[in-house]
Amino acid sequence: EPEVTQTPSHQVTQMGQEVILRCVPISNHLYFYWYRQILGQKVEFLVSFYNNEISEKSEIFDDQFSVERPDGSNFTLKIRSTKLEDSAMYFCASSDAGGKNIQYFGAGTRLSVL
Amino acid sequence: QKEVEQNSGPLSVPEGAIASLNCTYSDRVSQSFFWYRQYSGKSPELIMSIYSNGDKEDGRFTAQLNKASQYVSLLIRDSQPSDSATYLCAVTISNFGNEKLTFGTGTRLTIIP
Repeated sequence: EPEVTQTPSHQVTQMGQEVILRCVPISNHLYFYWYRQILGQKVEFLVSFYNNEISEKSEIFDDQFSVERPDGSNFTLKIRSTKLEDSAMYFCASSDAGGKNIQYFGAGTRLSVL
Repeated sequence: QKEVEQNSGPLSVPEGAIASLNCTYSDRVSQSFFWYRQYSGKSPELIMSIYSNGDKEDGRFTAQLNKASQYVSLLIRDSQPSDSATYLCAVTISNFGNEKLTFGTGTRLTIIP
């Protein structure tokens, strides 16, 4: 069964460092998303991406964040200068073009900022 | 601020009984409604989607939607210990792709053997 894959599963970084979280969406999906979940809190939308452009971003997604689809399979989230409060689970999701907007989530990357 | 509200629980249900999970949403124009299951430390897993008023059944799961009351629920029949998880309600404004999910805080369900 097709699935969204994310790497790494756990990333530890020092405050102020740059991190890149990687995702491979389901192959025939056209819409891509990043969400995050701080421990014990709800899943929050960060950004959606379609046709090589950001479709929508939340107020969390400030200038420190960027997304890219560098090739035909990968979808990345970059945090330029990490802060302690960026520590969270980051989930990538994708959905197809068939309507209904059913989003499938990857297993997530746990980001720990020290 | 568009909100999705859920009772955080924990909700404890005996094995074999019916578990009933509830969700309300504030944006009246919401069109698509989803229930995700999330085991501790894992990612959300889609259980059910519902788009029109009424009931939708899939195996032991039934989703119910009432747009007039801005209310969506999930019933789990014949509850099993493996159903113990946090259940997340999520909504989108439209039925089209590329629409963000707005999640509730989730209801933690425990099935007691």
